[in-house]
Amino acid sequence: DIEMTQSPSSLSASVGDRVTITCRASQSISTYLNWYQHKPGKAPKLLIYATSTLQSGVSSRFSGSGTGTDFTLTISSLQPEDSATYYCQQSYSSWTFGQGTKVEIK
Amino acid sequence: QVQLVESGGGVVQPGGSLRLSCAAYGFTFRSYGMHWVRQASGKGLEWVAFVRYDGSEEQYSNSVKGRFTISRDNSKNTVFLQMNSLRLEDTAVYFCAKESVAGPDYWGQGTLVTVSS
Repeated sequence: DIEMTQSPSSLSASVGDRVTITCRASQSISTYLNWYQHKPGKAPKLLIYATSTLQSGVSSRFSGSGTGTDFTLTISSLQPEDSATYYCQQSYSSWTFGQGTKVEIK
Repeated sequence: QVQLVESGGGVVQPGGSLRLSCAAYGFTFRSYGMHWVRQASGKGLEWVAFVRYDGSEEQYSNSVKGRFTISRDNSKNTVFLQMNSLRLEDTAVYFCAKESVAGPDYWGQGTLVTVSS
C-alpha cells in the first residue's frame, strides 16, 4: 500500500501569510495527487486535483505542485476562511490520504 | 446541484452489523464510481471502499476487507455499505463521495457509526 506523509501536522499563521504544506508518497505516484480542505461538521472539499489543477470555483490563492513522491500545497495569502484541516490523497493505486495538516489563524 | 445524503448510522455492539445508505441527487449516478471514506473522532480521513459505476468492481482498504461490502442500486441512485463483524475501531463518521477523473469530488455530510458495548 502507498503511504502518504504530510508535514507539518499543524501550523499557525497570520492573515496574508504565504503557507506551504508538503506531502510525500512512499513510492512514485506520478501526478495522481489531490488536495482537500475539511472543516469540522462539513463535507470535505476538493481543492486541487492531478497535483496542480484547480477545482472549479476554488480560489486562485490555492496552488499545487510536485511530481513523483514530493508535492506541495501553497496558500499564497492566508485568509480567515482558510482555517481548516488539509489532506493530500493519492489515486495512483487505490486511494490513500495523508494524516492531515491543521491550519490555524493567529 | 450534486447532493449526497448518507443514512443508517447508529450505535451497535461489537460483532454486530449495520448497513449504510447514500442517496445521490443532481448527477447521472449510473455513470460514476462511488466511495466510502471514514473519519474517527480526532483522526484523519481514511478511505474505506470503492465501487465502479456499473458495480462490476469493488475495492476495499485492508482494515475492512472481508468484513464490509460496498454495493449500489443504479435504479435507486443509491450506494450501500454493509458492515459486518464491527469492531470498536470502526467507530467513525462515514462519508460517501462521488468519483471523478480528479478523484472523489463531491462528498456527503456523513453519518455517525458508534461501536460500543
